[in-house]
Amino acid sequence: ETGVTQTPRHLVMGMTNKKSLKCEQHLGHNAMYWYKQSAKKPLELMFVYSLEERVENNSVPSRFSPECPNSSHLFLHLHTLQPEDSALYLCASSQDDRRYEQYFGPGTRLTVT
Amino acid sequence: AQSVSQHNHHVILSEAASLELGCNYSYGGTVNLFWYVQYPGQHLQLLLKYFSGDPLVKGIKGFEAEFIKSKFSFNLRKPSVQWSDTAEYFCAVQNSGYALNFGKGTSLLVTP
Repeated sequence: ETGVTQTPRHLVMGMTNKKSLKCEQHLGHNAMYWYKQSAKKPLELMFVYSLEERVENNSVPSRFSPECPNSSHLFLHLHTLQPEDSALYLCASSQDDRRYEQYFGPGTRLTVT
Repeated sequence: AQSVSQHNHHVILSEAASLELGCNYSYGGTVNLFWYVQYPGQHLQLLLKYFSGDPLVKGIKGFEAEFIKSKFSFNLRKPSVQWSDTAEYFCAVQNSGYALNFGKGTSLLVTP
């Protein structure tokens, strides 16, 4: 069971498509995160939102566009992706304090063709 | 930038064997330290964490980890593994920001 859900779980998209990944947390947290897990590489932080404001952005290409409409929902909008963007995208949430651990969702497996 | 090294990428143990997984990080200062586990088909779950205080931390399922500041290490241990411990284990280090810096993970297979 998880307090963080992600949809879809699997996504195949062409390089010219536009799609969105959705994350929802049911834990009452107010910080949310997007991580990318590529094959043979460590998880990399992409974006952090705290109280619906972006607080960290780790040099992510503009073809990835996050949106946090409220503290329970986080989106990652995708457009004109490259094949090397194929990866597992993980969402996480935490209390808005770095003393608290992050809770992860199951991830969306993205394949760009 | 912080980097996290997990020295063992694949470990195979028999049930009841003792486990120690290494984790070292590159950048000092005040750190929060975590071990996460991912069982087959499941999401990442927190195994244990260290923020301050006693450097020997006990987590769930009989796991423990020891923070040795002078060695920049946070090794994970379990005295006697079970088949159900088969999973991938990730060490993560947090500095001053929100980001968790993860190692590449260690895949543990426990054979009956």
